[in-house]
Amino acid sequence: DTGVSQDPRHKITKRGQNVTFRCDPISEHNRLYWYRQTLGQGPEFLTYFQNEAQLEKSRLLSDRFSAERPKGSFSTLEIQRTEQGDSAMYLCASSGRQGLGEKLFFGSGTQLSVL
Amino acid sequence: AQKITQTQPGMFVQEKEAVTLDCTYDTSDPSYGLFWYKQPSSGEMIFLIYQGSYDQQNATEGRYSLNFQKARKSANLVISASQLGDSAMYFCAMRGANAGNMLTFGGGTRLMVKP
Repeated sequence: DTGVSQDPRHKITKRGQNVTFRCDPISEHNRLYWYRQTLGQGPEFLTYFQNEAQLEKSRLLSDRFSAERPKGSFSTLEIQRTEQGDSAMYLCASSGRQGLGEKLFFGSGTQLSVL
Repeated sequence: AQKITQTQPGMFVQEKEAVTLDCTYDTSDPSYGLFWYKQPSSGEMIFLIYQGSYDQQNATEGRYSLNFQKARKSANLVISASQLGDSAMYFCAMRGANAGNMLTFGGGTRLMVKP
């Protein structure tokens, strides 16, 4: 169990540029989540995958955001035409069990700064 | 809709003493799960403890216990025998049976353990 890996750890970009983040979940986990956390706040749900299927998307996920999990393993989150309001920590989490008590395993996140 | 409220932005505790972190919640779901996560400065969210809404007993995990008072809609985290390594952000979260797979987080409490 190597844990959830996210890359890069930090990303600085200029407004209007596109950025892409990668998440590698725990290998046997078929459920993958993306959350966004702004400074001083708790994480907010963005989207959820079961295997390669994107089953839930938050209203927070504008059309500039797109997430994929093409082979049901790693996932990417792309933000097009970044805005300063996109500056946040983007957290990925995975789990192998569905239900109310589902425990999420989080990565260390990608810190995005949009200048 | 689900809401988690953590009213303590910051808390100090002396090493080896116990501390209680407050959490209140609001939901219309008849069945739900409550969680506490720890976020050290490295950024990774670490699962601490889970309480189901129909569990008869309060959950315990080592030095962590959850004081669940359903009528008051509170789910306070108690950390016994605080250690310096407990210094971190702590987030209360919930998942409702009718809220899909989304985990809703509170704003967090920063705990600082004094030597």
